[in-house]
This record gives sequence, structure tokens and C-alpha cells, in this order.
Amino acid sequence: NSKVIQTPRYLVKGQGQKAKMRCIPEKGHPVVFWYQQNKNNEFKFLINFQNQEVLQQIDMTEKRFSAECPSNSPCSLEIQSSEAGDSALYLCASSLRGQNTEVFFGKGTRLTVV
Amino acid sequence: GDSVTQTEGLVTLTKGLPVMLNCTYQTTYSPFLFWYVQHLNEAPKLLLKSSTDNKRTEHQGFYATLHKSSSSFHLQKSSVQLSDSALYFCALKPGSFNKLTFGAGTRLAVCP
Repeated sequence: NSKVIQTPRYLVKGQGQKAKMRCIPEKGHPVVFWYQQNKNNEFKFLINFQNQEVLQQIDMTEKRFSAECPSNSPCSLEIQSSEAGDSALYLCASSLRGQNTEVFFGKGTRLTVV
Repeated sequence: GDSVTQTEGLVTLTKGLPVMLNCTYQTTYSPFLFWYVQHLNEAPKLLLKSSTDNKRTEHQGFYATLHKSSSSFHLQKSSVQLSDSALYFCALKPGSFNKLTFGAGTRLAVCP
């Protein structure tokens, strides 16, 4: 069973509304990822953190997406002004450091923008 | 940039038959390859991983061999079961970077 906990499992927002989802990584994992899985099941990398610092992120040029991983609090991903195209499954994952380490995924938050 | 290609979108098989799901990759770094399986409404779970050239790795009846000469890491099973019906993703971790790059995925549908 996945030890990466994501809440909520389902989120429905109107266009223009904020959408916020949370993730508790597996205990002891310093690296956290966010991926977007679209309706065609394709994965899109969004951002990853090591402890509280951003390691890599895509060019969120619209700046509608923001993410953080504060110490002693759940990580979060927020969409400032939701659009219909943001409807997707948002997967959080965590791992230890290193290339050969397994990445553990949560069950995701399914966002529907109506 | 780094990329992973899975050529089959959907593979439909009868129970008991063998299967091979294709995966090729491109990277200029030393590759680490993974296969993840995602059942309906479940989290993706690791099935196999490898960074060793020409060495077969196995788990739960599935196996794969990383061939750096052909940049491939095909997933195989000798006899599929109904419970194998799921989405299968090949993924790449290049070099020391943490980020996983996924292929488009292959849906395996096993019929009775």
C-alpha cells in the first residue's frame, strides 16, 4: 500500500477558482515530486523538491501553479486560477536521494474543472 | 533532451500467452530504467528497475534486460494473467538527476 498520502482524492472547481491539493511524503523521504497525468494517461513532470528546496521545475510561465514543501507540514500544489485544461490526476511521489532509488507514488488528486 | 518511447498504446491478449511491451530511451547521461504498473484508481507501483547493461532483472513473473547498445528496456512475461490488466509505464532517470521521465504508457488488457 502506498505510504504517500494525498488529499483530497477528488476536487471539483469552477473555472477561475483556486485549487489546492496536499501531499504527505513517505517518512524519511527528502525528495518530493509532482506530476500531472492527463486523460490520455501521459505523465507531465511539474516540480520536485529536496527537503524544502526546489530542485527542478517546468517553466510555469503562466504562473498559475505554485508548490511548496515546508518543514513539518504537508507539501502542497496550488493552481491559482483553474482552467478546463487543468483537469487531470495530480500525482505526488517521494523518494530517497540517488539515481537508483525507487519513487513511491500516492493515489493522486483528481481535479475536475467545470 | 531525455525521452522514453513506448510504441504500443494498447495490447490485448488472451490469458496464458506471452507478452512483450517495448521501451526505448534517449539520454546523454548514464541511464537508470524503471517499469511502473498502474491499476485502475491505484497509485503507480514499481515493477522492475535496472542500470546494469545486459543483465536480466525479474519480479512477479515479469522480466526485462537493459541493452545500452540499443537503448532498450523491453518488459516481458511468459504467461499473462487476468490480474496483469493495467497500464504499464517505462521511465528513465538520467545520470544523477532525480526526475523520472515517463513514456506514454501501454495498456495491457488480458482476456479470459
